[in-house]
Amino acid sequence: GEDVEQSLFLSVREGDSSVINCTYTDSSSTYLYWYKQEPGAGLQLLTYIFSNMDMKQDQRLTVLLNKKDKHLSLRIADTQTGDSAIYFCADYSGYALNFGKGTSLLVTP
Amino acid sequence: NAGVTQTPKFQVLKTGQSMTLQCAQDMNHNSMYWYRQDPGMGLRLIYYSASEGTTDKGEVPNGYNVSRLNKREFSLRLESAAPSQTSVYFCASRAGGGLAANTQYFGPGTRLTVL
Repeated sequence: GEDVEQSLFLSVREGDSSVINCTYTDSSSTYLYWYKQEPGAGLQLLTYIFSNMDMKQDQRLTVLLNKKDKHLSLRIADTQTGDSAIYFCADYSGYALNFGKGTSLLVTP
Repeated sequence: NAGVTQTPKFQVLKTGQSMTLQCAQDMNHNSMYWYRQDPGMGLRLIYYSASEGTTDKGEVPNGYNVSRLNKREFSLRLESAAPSQTSVYFCASRAGGGLAANTQYFGPGTRLTVL
């Protein structure tokens, strides 16, 4: 399928903002997704954005979409140690979600 | 509502053994999926079923078979397990039928080790 790329690691201090970036290549993607995976657990849907939107805010989460550059970002405000997890960006390939390799977020006290 | 359930949670097999991973969803979803997750590889699609009665290969189908038993259940079978199939397996489901229904919901995973 089309590629979804993410940086592999991010380390931030508790209380700072985290920004996780993602690029995708499928220009026909209608929805783009962020999933969170805590250690030893399955994937949990965090949020999604429709392709005709530039921004979506949901409490501490802000998703920005630059459709021209095919760039998606997830900002977590006031990052907490409980936010330490792997974050996956995904687009919809036409029959299934197509995932990036995931960004491991480490939040240090 | 249990969502997507998977059994077993953990399994250890010897090379050449067979087993079936079970998945069920109670959300009346049309589509179901099997992924495997390996370190540094993200999630890769093994097989999917767009609707009851249909199955299709994903990115990495070799060594696996699937059965969509009914609308609720989608099983993954390893006929002759190999060490390369050591992985975490996730089942997912999706409502389907329109742009707003693309969200996939995941089960908790099955951790499989093949010795």
